[in-house]
Amino acid sequence: AQSVTQLGSHVSVSEGALVLLRCNYSSSVPPYLFWYVQYPNQGLQLLLKYTTGATLVKGINGFEAEFKKSETSFHLTKPSAHMSDAAEYFCAVSSLPMEYGNKLVFGAGTILRVKS
Amino acid sequence: NAGVTQTPKFQVLKTGQSMTLQCAQDMNHEYMSWYRQDPGMGLRLIHYSVGAGITDQGEVPNGYNVSRSTTEDFPLRLLSAAPSQTSVYFCASSFGRAGNEQFFGPGTRLTVL
Repeated sequence: AQSVTQLGSHVSVSEGALVLLRCNYSSSVPPYLFWYVQYPNQGLQLLLKYTTGATLVKGINGFEAEFKKSETSFHLTKPSAHMSDAAEYFCAVSSLPMEYGNKLVFGAGTILRVKS
Repeated sequence: NAGVTQTPKFQVLKTGQSMTLQCAQDMNHEYMSWYRQDPGMGLRLIHYSVGAGITDQGEVPNGYNVSRSTTEDFPLRLLSAAPSQTSVYFCASSFGRAGNEQFFGPGTRLTVL
């Protein structure tokens, strides 16, 4: 069965500092991987995804993530944090590519706090 | 495009009451799903549908029913609410194949007393 582990339920950074949110996955075949962001009292919004091809994926709002198969990781980074980045971030793994349907398995989430 | 809409935004029920959470999308997506979000547990899949007339169970289906009579609508029914069903519920939709972006509704916050 597929699973996702996000290290650190809360991460605090200063404005302008590097953001690093960690995600490790478990999957029997190369997975499709996603990062979603949830702002307070809102639904989830896609930041970026990895399906095939280049392992360094760029997303919205200056975020990027690198798929590392050998480490089974998909960590999310942003070079310089902004106050508006404060939110909860979810890593997710998708259904196996040969299956029909688009089920997602989510990690527990990481709340990012940005200090001024 | 309204995207994915959910009603109501908030609901308080007493134990044993029933209700239906509504979800609609206007993007002609085949795939629709319901998740519940609980603190420290991320989102967990309740039920999903790959098209009109086709539904299946997710990770936490007990206490919930679904049906899909049209492409646009995917209601979630609680037949006899329990305090353990206090949660935030999200509906999502996408095109059918794995790897497609899922679009989420704004959520319904449900409290069962």
